[in-house]
Order: sequence, then C-alpha cells, then structure tokens
Amino acid sequence: SQQGEEDPQALSIQEGENATMNCSYKTSINNLQWYRQNSGRGLVHLILIRSNEREKHSGRLRVTLDTSKKSSSLLITASRAADTASYFCATGVRQGAQKLVFGQGTRLTINP
Amino acid sequence: DGGITQSPKYLFRKEGQNVTLSCEQNLNHDAMYWYRQDPGQGLRLIYYSQIVNDFQKGDIAEGYSVSREKKESFPLTVTSAQKNPTAFYLCATQEELAKNIQYFGAGTRLSVL
Repeated sequence: SQQGEEDPQALSIQEGENATMNCSYKTSINNLQWYRQNSGRGLVHLILIRSNEREKHSGRLRVTLDTSKKSSSLLITASRAADTASYFCATGVRQGAQKLVFGQGTRLTINP
Repeated sequence: DGGITQSPKYLFRKEGQNVTLSCEQNLNHDAMYWYRQDPGQGLRLIYYSQIVNDFQKGDIAEGYSVSREKKESFPLTVTSAQKNPTAFYLCATQEELAKNIQYFGAGTRLSVL
C-alpha cells in the first residue's frame, strides 16, 4: 500500500532557483525519509526526520515535518542541473517489522 | 549502489517461464527487501527478510517467491503465475531495524518477450 502522496508530480525550474516538493501521508509514523532516484538507477537516501522533529537541514536540503497535518516538505536551494532526478518520500512504519512505504515521487527537472 | 549487486541489469522472460533475479550484498546488513517499480510510480514491496531463513510477504507477493539461505543473498523468482511482470525491480538492504535507512542496488529491468 502506498501511503505517501507527493505534490507536484512534476516540477521544472531554472538552475539557481529553489525547488519545493511536498508529501502527505495517512497513518502514524516513526520517521519520514526522502530518497533520490536518477533515471534507471536505484534510490539514494538523502535525509531522515524523526516524528518528534520539525525541521532538519543537510547541505542544500531542508526538510520539514508537520505531524498534525501529516505532511512533509523537501526544499532544495540553489538548484543545479545535477539535481535533475525523481524524489520520493518514504514513511517509516512499524507493522510487525520496520518497513518503508514510498510515495509516487516528484520528477524534478532543472533547466540550465 | 555500492555494496549491493543486482544481476542481470536487463532480463527477458518468455511466457510461462520462471526467471530469477539476483541480489547480493557485502554490507553485512541483516534485512533485505525486494520492490517493484512501474513507470512513473513509486516502489511497492514484494518480499522482505529480516534474518537468514526467514522472510515475509509484502504488499504484492502473488506470483513471486524468494529464499534467504545466506545473509549475503536474497534472490527473487518471478513465476509464470505473475501475469504482468514487466517492471523495474529493486533490491535494498537495511543495516539494522532501528535505523530504518535503506540502501539500494542498481535494479533489474524485466521485460516480457
């Protein structure tokens, strides 16, 4: 079951601009993570935010989490052409075992 | 992708045929996962294993089978019962359950002839 809904499905911006992607989920979570996937490749973990955290930074990435609204956002500042990829949120849930439930992703294109 | 090797990169299946996708890891991680990704979609969990000789069904296990005889290896068999197998298959590992961060292989693209 996919519990993450990502918005927008696709985003195209100019290099140097900021990119914001949103993720909403349905059930209670232990944590929320963001992954990146280049075309035809595996996913790479970017950042994890725990359910008791509200904001986290890593380099040009900023993630926020609002558990009352069951939503998260990923901000990429000063975008580069190399940031072109699909970005997925994944919620860490405990259903007998630790599992991740992935959203459908946002396809980000950075135009030079 | 380092430390997790999926093979082959491309695989073609004839109707009625079983095919096996390989996933090998040298990260010494306990848990391993198989996901299916359809074009423009997210990942759906097929099977997962937390320890050797034990595995559980995910959300879309029908038509698939797995084994976990060694910590390093978690092969996925796509059986003839899976009527729509064309997809991108991703294997992942997780260091320990508490950390919940997964590491992915480069994937196998399966097509039907």
